Amino acid sequence: KQEVTQIPAALSVPEGENLVLNCSFTDSAIYNLQWFRQDPGKGLTSLLLIQSSQREQTSGRLNASLDKSSGRSTLYIAASQPGDSATYLCAVSGTASKLTFGTGTRLQVTL
Amino acid sequence: DAGITQSPRHKVTETGTPVTLRCHQTENHRYMYWYRQDPGHGLRLIHYSYGVKDTDKGEVSDGYSVSRSKTEDFLLTLESATSSQTSVYFCAISEDGYGYTFGSGTRLTVV
Repeated sequence: KQEVTQIPAALSVPEGENLVLNCSFTDSAIYNLQWFRQDPGKGLTSLLLIQSSQREQTSGRLNASLDKSSGRSTLYIAASQPGDSATYLCAVSGTASKLTFGTGTRLQVTL
Repeated sequence: DAGITQSPRHKVTETGTPVTLRCHQTENHRYMYWYRQDPGHGLRLIHYSYGVKDTDKGEVSDGYSVSRSKTEDFLLTLESATSSQTSVYFCAISEDGYGYTFGSGTRLTVV
């Protein structure tokens, strides 16, 4: 059974700081890995999708990497802003395109 | 989210009553999913569908049933609601099993 772990569970940083969120998974037989953002009381917004054959994806200030063999992914956020405050979820896709989620990292960016 | 609507947004129901949640999409996507989100557990897959009348169980399917008689609608039924089914329920759609769009969620309270 696939298990996804995200560390840290919560993180508070001052505005402008660069930060890294970590995700690990136990079964390397994945089709892709995705990072989502969830604001309080809201649904999930897709940030980045990395196919199993790729090593990284970038979108604006966000960069996600994937090391499938070691079962790890990182989400790098550059020059953090208060608007980045949210919960970030990592999910891996296995058979039948089903996603297995981690429990998330709750990020707060302070002024 | 554009293209996917969940109803109702909030519901309070009594233990032992049946409850049906609706997910409606306008994207004509093949795959539809129901997840539940609970503190400490992240999102867990309840049931999913890979076409009209084609459904299968997820990780936490006990006590739930689903139906998909049309491409655009995926219904989740709690046959006899229990307090352990108090949760936030999310529907998701995907055309190809790669990119996902999530609904805004239904907050269900069983008293």
